[in-house]
Amino acid sequence: GAGVSQTPSNKVTEKGKYVELRCDPISGHTALYWYRQSLGQGPEFLIYFQGTGAADDSGLPNDRFFAVRPEGSVSTLKIQRTERGDSAVYLCASSLGMTSAPLIYEQYFGPGTRLTVT
Amino acid sequence: AQSVTQLGSHVSVSEGALVLLRCNYSSSVPPYLFWYVQYPNQGLQLLLKYTSAATLVKGINGFEAEFKKSETSFHLTKPSAHMSDAAEYFCAVTTSGTYKYIFGTGTRLKVLA
Repeated sequence: GAGVSQTPSNKVTEKGKYVELRCDPISGHTALYWYRQSLGQGPEFLIYFQGTGAADDSGLPNDRFFAVRPEGSVSTLKIQRTERGDSAVYLCASSLGMTSAPLIYEQYFGPGTRLTVT
Repeated sequence: AQSVTQLGSHVSVSEGALVLLRCNYSSSVPPYLFWYVQYPNQGLQLLLKYTSAATLVKGINGFEAEFKKSETSFHLTKPSAHMSDAAEYFCAVTTSGTYKYIFGTGTRLKVLA
């Protein structure tokens, strides 16, 4: 079956611009996660959705970052006024929902979007 | 709060030798632990997981890991390294009701011919 897909695979933008990164989770997965992986580091948690609502957004670094999941499937991570420090690989993951514990704890990752801010 | 420490950012082994990648965790409640592998320019692939069942966990590609509560460790092993095992390996922890993963900084495995 299809895995988690992310578009675009690469995005180059100028400092100060707005970008949107898209994630399409595995069909039937109600939980969705965004992580950011900087060069030479492990992924860092940004936000977690259960259905349409953000259940935990404690990892968003500041108010320039925002994510939505309006219909409980596809999610978009939005970054305003991009800065060079935002350059990283943005990873999306999905898992089964809370009713499927403990399988909710098994996350499946997409290939990532490499964001470069010049 | 949870944390993960991966000792050794780079590990080199000869083809056919034992692979041992170290992971120590910190958690005030029972953890769920995971190992993921990342090949260049690819996403993370789940190797194996510990979710409070058997402490010796077998995963894909011949890898296994043992959960040792007394040592707060979850080291990854493989008896005989293959060239295709060259990749970056990440250990991650979460806990019941938390869901988000806390990752280690990764260990890059190099396999020498």
